[in-house]
Amino acid sequence: QLQLQESGPGPVKPSETLSLTCTVSGGSISSGSHCWGWIRQSPGKGLEWIASICNSGSTTYYNPSLRNRVTMSVDTSKNQFSVKLSSVTAADAAVYYCARRYYHTLTGYSFDYWGQGTLVTVSS
Amino acid sequence: EIVLTQSPGTLSLSPGERATLSCRASQSVGSNYLAWYQHKPGQAPRLLISGASSRATGIPDRFSGSGSGTDFTLTISRLEPEDFAVYYCQHFGTSVATFGQGTRLEIK
Repeated sequence: QLQLQESGPGPVKPSETLSLTCTVSGGSISSGSHCWGWIRQSPGKGLEWIASICNSGSTTYYNPSLRNRVTMSVDTSKNQFSVKLSSVTAADAAVYYCARRYYHTLTGYSFDYWGQGTLVTVSS
Repeated sequence: EIVLTQSPGTLSLSPGERATLSCRASQSVGSNYLAWYQHKPGQAPRLLISGASSRATGIPDRFSGSGSGTDFTLTISRLEPEDFAVYYCQHFGTSVATFGQGTRLEIK
């Protein structure tokens, strides 16, 4: 059973860079043709896709609204992937989820496995 | 960028009733690229449907997805107490993924 677990700093100060890591267990991050992604939910709001990374890190996709501030990477030796979000503001406070993007010819695309989420607060 | 609009924003129903949730895309999308999720407070979102109509592993058959082009529907045939949650549709584009704003399904 694949499991994903986010880890992060908790509180971040405004203008600093937020760094989050997702550790994958129960399977290899570089097996198959899966992609990996980050999604967040700000208080009282819906889900927002942040970024995805594919092909063991050779291809990245970013939400256009965050593109200038976000960077995603993979560390296959640790079976982890990470996201960095620079110049954070109060608007970046959210629960951040990592997930696996899965594709099957019969069932299409989906985020099928998710971490439990990690709360990030932004405060000076 | 495709925009997904879900309706209604809130749906108030009783256990045992049928729920119909709508997701409309701003332009035609391929069915392979449309998924539905259930989200409860304090939990990770749960995949219900992929490819517009394929139930994910372990999802009860009271959940069904349908639609094509710009109009998609999630139907819960007979609501159970554990079904009251927020539901999101999601589109996978070539390089961008987008979520609808969600439909809150609440107990009447």
